[in-house]
Amino acid sequence: AQTVTQSQPEMSVQEAETVTLSCTYDTSESDYYLFWYKQPPSRQMILVIRQEAYKQQNATENRFSVNFQKAAKSFSLKISDSQLGDAAMYFCAYRSAGGSQGNLIFGKGTKLSVKP
Amino acid sequence: SAVISQKPSRDICQRGTSLTIQCQVDSQVTMMFWYRQQPGQSLTLIATANQGSEATYESGFVIDKFPISRPNLTFSTLTVSNMSPEDSSIYLCSVAMIEGETQYFGPGTRLLVL
Repeated sequence: AQTVTQSQPEMSVQEAETVTLSCTYDTSESDYYLFWYKQPPSRQMILVIRQEAYKQQNATENRFSVNFQKAAKSFSLKISDSQLGDAAMYFCAYRSAGGSQGNLIFGKGTKLSVKP
Repeated sequence: SAVISQKPSRDICQRGTSLTIQCQVDSQVTMMFWYRQQPGQSLTLIATANQGSEATYESGFVIDKFPISRPNLTFSTLTVSNMSPEDSSIYLCSVAMIEGETQYFGPGTRLLVL
């Protein structure tokens, strides 16, 4: 079975600085998708970024980028120029490319605080 | 992405009662899912809501406890039956426009069972 591990329960960053959130996963599959979701206090889960395992290029979305290391099964999220609105729980998630399309497997989350 | 709404946004219920949560999407979607997020925990998939047929439940979740309906491509309900305090959680609906594509989440329903 696949597992997702986020080893940092909490992280803190100064406004305008850069922070990296870690995520590792375990799978025997070669084709899959990885996601970072953000959950602010309002509880709305928001997609931050998505990475297809077959793509070597790291995904980027404005201030958010990932470092995808397939061999190491690592998928970290880098947030540049951190803003107060970035404060939230961040969840890393895995989904198989085949089989059960629905089953997103989530890590336990990292709570990010942004200091003004 | 689709606009997803859930009703109610929160509720406080007595043990032994049932609550039905609605999920409405502003466009037709192929896939609809229900997740549970227990206090301080991550999300766990309860089931995939299938249009016109029985939902597909994940291990540990059963239809008698969590009956699900999906009458069309834009609407689904999840009922939490015979509630106990252990059912206190946030319940989230998610959708994917196309099978295999990215899931987007509704705002969630925060349930407290006394």
